[in-house]
Amino acid sequence: GENVEQHPSTLSVQEGDSAVIKCTYSDSASNYFPWYKQELGKGPQLIIDIRSNVGEKKDQRIAVTLNKTAKHFSLHITETQPEDSAVYFCAASRGQKVTFGIGTKLQVIP
Amino acid sequence: DADVTQTPRNRITKTGKRIMLECSQTKGHDRMYWYRQDPGLGLRLIYYSFDVKDINKGEISDGYSVSRQAQAKFSLSLESAIPNQTALYFCATKDGSADTQYFGPGTRLTVL
Repeated sequence: GENVEQHPSTLSVQEGDSAVIKCTYSDSASNYFPWYKQELGKGPQLIIDIRSNVGEKKDQRIAVTLNKTAKHFSLHITETQPEDSAVYFCAASRGQKVTFGIGTKLQVIP
Repeated sequence: DADVTQTPRNRITKTGKRIMLECSQTKGHDRMYWYRQDPGLGLRLIYYSFDVKDINKGEISDGYSVSRQAQAKFSLSLESAIPNQTALYFCATKDGSADTQYFGPGTRLTVL
C-alpha cells in the first residue's frame, strides 16, 4: 500500500521567515495531494491541495510543489505569522484511499 | 468545521466498558469516515462508509464497529474499551464526486 513520509516532525521558525515541510510517497498511482492544518483542539482543515497534473500551486502565502518523478511534494509558507503555528499533515490519495503523513508541528516564534 | 459535529468532545472511561462516539454532518455528503490520531502516527483509518448500506473496514478496524444510521449520521463503537484505544478520534465526510475530506472537531477518548 501507500506509504507517506513527512519531514520534519517539528519545525521552529522566526516570525517573517519561511517554512518548508516535505513529504514523499511510494505509490506512483497517487494523484491527489492535500495539505491539512490542525490547530490545537480542532480537527484538520484543508489549506491547499494539488493534483498530479500540476507542478505548483499558490494561495497567498502558501504554495505546494509536486515532483511526480521523484514522488515528493512540499508545502511552503512564506512570511510566517504566529497564527501559522499548528500541526500540518500531508496526504497522498488514489481513488478512495488516502494516506496521511505523521504531521509536522510548526512553531512560529514572535 | 460546524458542518461536521462530534459528540462527546471528551470522554474518560474504564477498561471493558462499551463506548459510542457519534458524528453528524449537514454537508449532504454521502461518504463518512472514522480516523484515529496518535502522536507520531498521524491519522489512521478505522472504518468508512460510502452510503447507508455500505460499510468498509479501514487499516485498524479490530476492536471497533460502526453504524451508519442515516446519510448524516455515522457512529463508532468500542465494544470493550482497552487502554491502547486512548486517542483522538476524528470523523470526516466527503462528497463522492470530489476529493476533499472535511473533518469534525474530534473526540478525545481516555481509557483507564
